[in-house]
Amino acid sequence: GAGVSQTPSNKVTEKGKYVELRCDPISGHTALYWYRQSLGQGPEFLIYFQGTGAADDSGLPNDRFFAVRPEGSVSTLKIQRTERGDSAVYLCASSKGLVSDTQYFGPGTRLTVL
Amino acid sequence: AQTVTQSQPEMSVQEAETVTLSCTYDTSESDYYLFWYKQPPSRQMILVIRQEAYKQQNATENRFSVNFQKAAKSFSLKISDSQLGDAAMYFCAYRSVKAAGNKLTFGGGTRVLVKP
Repeated sequence: GAGVSQTPSNKVTEKGKYVELRCDPISGHTALYWYRQSLGQGPEFLIYFQGTGAADDSGLPNDRFFAVRPEGSVSTLKIQRTERGDSAVYLCASSKGLVSDTQYFGPGTRLTVL
Repeated sequence: AQTVTQSQPEMSVQEAETVTLSCTYDTSESDYYLFWYKQPPSRQMILVIRQEAYKQQNATENRFSVNFQKAAKSFSLKISDSQLGDAAMYFCAYRSVKAAGNKLTFGGGTRVLVKP
């Protein structure tokens, strides 16, 4: 596709449930990033993939959060046993892979945990 | 760890006028990148302008320009001839040039209101 796409656009779930958020990066981009944006704040880094491997997962808040990118393209962010504090917009970005390259963002998934 | 601070939660500007958004950052590195991103209500972050720290010349992109003061660790954004479409949240961001430092560190954002 022309840009980064994320599905679903909105997700409402109940506390304790499992959710998966999907990111489809720009074709050919080897680097993929997940950020979390809480209401009224700037995005915070979660995890960065270079190809299929997680090059930096230092931003994942705890072991309930996990992300995969098995074929080096689409990525899935998985959240187990969701809590109300997980409610936020989850943004995905991709880039060609070099440090100098611009990150292009998707429209995000708004997750609401009731 | 690097931190980015935007001290203005909200700025208001008259259409066709100029507004300047402030950003300061803290780092021990000598080379890095700085960015301004725009986030309209659609949520999608859009790159407005970028600056490489090793370049002394301030970056410009049409009506957008920056004032990069490396010693002061300041990176302000000036929007000239403001248009209604400029209304959005604006985020300042930092990125290291180190190979493992690809992540962006964002400030808290400044909301820009444009009055017709």
